[in-house]
Amino acid sequence: KNQVEQSPQSLIILEGKNCTLQCNYTVSPFSNLRWYKQDTGRGPVSLTIMTFSENTKSNGRYTATLDADTKQSSLHITASQLSDSASYICVAHTGGFKTIFGAGTRLFVKA
Amino acid sequence: SQTIHQWPATLVQPVGSPLSLECTVEGTSNPNLYWYRQAAGRGLQLLFYSVGIGQISSEVPQNLSASRPQDRQFILSSKKLLLSDSGFYLCAWSVHSQGVTEAFFGQGTRLTVV
Repeated sequence: KNQVEQSPQSLIILEGKNCTLQCNYTVSPFSNLRWYKQDTGRGPVSLTIMTFSENTKSNGRYTATLDADTKQSSLHITASQLSDSASYICVAHTGGFKTIFGAGTRLFVKA
Repeated sequence: SQTIHQWPATLVQPVGSPLSLECTVEGTSNPNLYWYRQAAGRGLQLLFYSVGIGQISSEVPQNLSASRPQDRQFILSSKKLLLSDSGFYLCAWSVHSQGVTEAFFGQGTRLTVV
C-alpha cells in the first residue's frame, strides 16, 4: 500500500533553534520526493525535491535528506524564524498520476 | 509563466445546497489537474484527477463530482452539500519532466457547510 508517514504531528520550538522533521514513505514505483510548506489557509509550495539518486539537498535554511534504502527522508530547518511556522508536508511522487501526501507536521516557532 | 486560479477563497453554504468551485490554469496546455480536500488537522486527500478534457478519475466515493469542460478548467461540484463536506479544497496541476514530478497548488477554498 502506498503511504507516507510523517512525524512528529506537531512541534513547538523557540525562534533561532534548529529542528528536524521526519518522513517515511512506502511508494512504488518511486519517482521523487518533495517537501512542501503550507502556510495556514494557503496552498502548499514546494521547498525542495529529492530523486532516488540524491541523498541531500539544501534550499537556504532548509536541508532535506533522503535514504532510498530505508525509504526515509528528513527536513532540517536551521536557525528557525517566526515565518517558518507552517505545516510541512512530505509528498512522494510516483511519476504518473499517483501523488501520495503525508499528513504533515505542524511547526510552531515562538519568540 | 504558469499560474493557477481558484475561487472563491471562502464559502459558507447551508446543508443541502449545491456547490461549484472553479479552477483554471494559465500558461500550460493539457495539464494533469487535481482536486484535493484537507480536513482540519489532516493531510491532503486526493478527490479527483483529470488527464484531459472530459476525463475524470475519482479516488474516493463521496458526495462530490468533478468536470473538465475545457483543457485548463476543472470544476468541483455537489448537488447537495453535507456537513462532512466542510474543509479546505485545493486545486492543483502537475508536470512530469525529466523524471521528476511537481505539483502546483491554487490558494484553496475554505468551505464551511452550516
